[in-house]
Amino acid sequence: EDQVTQSPEALRLQEGESSSLNCSYTVSGLRGLFWYRQDPGKGPEFLFTLYSAGEEKEKERLKATLTKKESFLHITAPKPEDSATYLCAVGAPGGAQKLVFGQGTRLTINP
Amino acid sequence: NAGVMQNPRHLVRRRGQEARLRCSPMKGHSHVYWYRQLPEEGLKFMVYLQKENIIDESGMPKERFSAEFPKEGPSILRIQQVVRGDSAAYFCASSPTGQGGNYGYTFGSGTRLTVV
Repeated sequence: EDQVTQSPEALRLQEGESSSLNCSYTVSGLRGLFWYRQDPGKGPEFLFTLYSAGEEKEKERLKATLTKKESFLHITAPKPEDSATYLCAVGAPGGAQKLVFGQGTRLTINP
Repeated sequence: NAGVMQNPRHLVRRRGQEARLRCSPMKGHSHVYWYRQLPEEGLKFMVYLQKENIIDESGMPKERFSAEFPKEGPSILRIQQVVRGDSAAYFCASSPTGQGGNYGYTFGSGTRLTVV
């Protein structure tokens, strides 16, 4: 069974303090590794898709990387507006129309 | 350019009543996906639909739950005879093709169902 585990569950940082979120996965045939951001009371917002080990993508203060067993979301010099829950998901075999999500990392950036 | 519209945002039902959740996909999107987020749990896939067709309902509970996406109008997720365990946030997502995950679904803001 496909599994996605995110760590830590929650992370508090000071503004400007860089860190990384981890997503480890077990899947029989990866069809994409996805990162989403979810704000309270809202739906997930798409950030990145990664397909192969070694791939990296960046957006503002966020950079996502992928290995054969895990992905990292690096956040550089975060600001309070980066506070959110970050979700990782993998595309299940049979098509990327079905995503398997982790439980998320709740990130809080203190000013 | 409206995104994925879900209504109602909040829905309260008594045990045994029916709940109907609506989802209008983004303009030009003909593929719809429903996910459920239980308290303290991650998002779980429920069903994938195209217009007038259920493509994959492997995540739907066997009883009381049904989904449709008619030729005209929104997609509907219907829960009959609701129980307290159905209390959750239900999210709809849409994509222009069947490879929605590849390009990142567009999610709606969800319907928060509370069963009392």
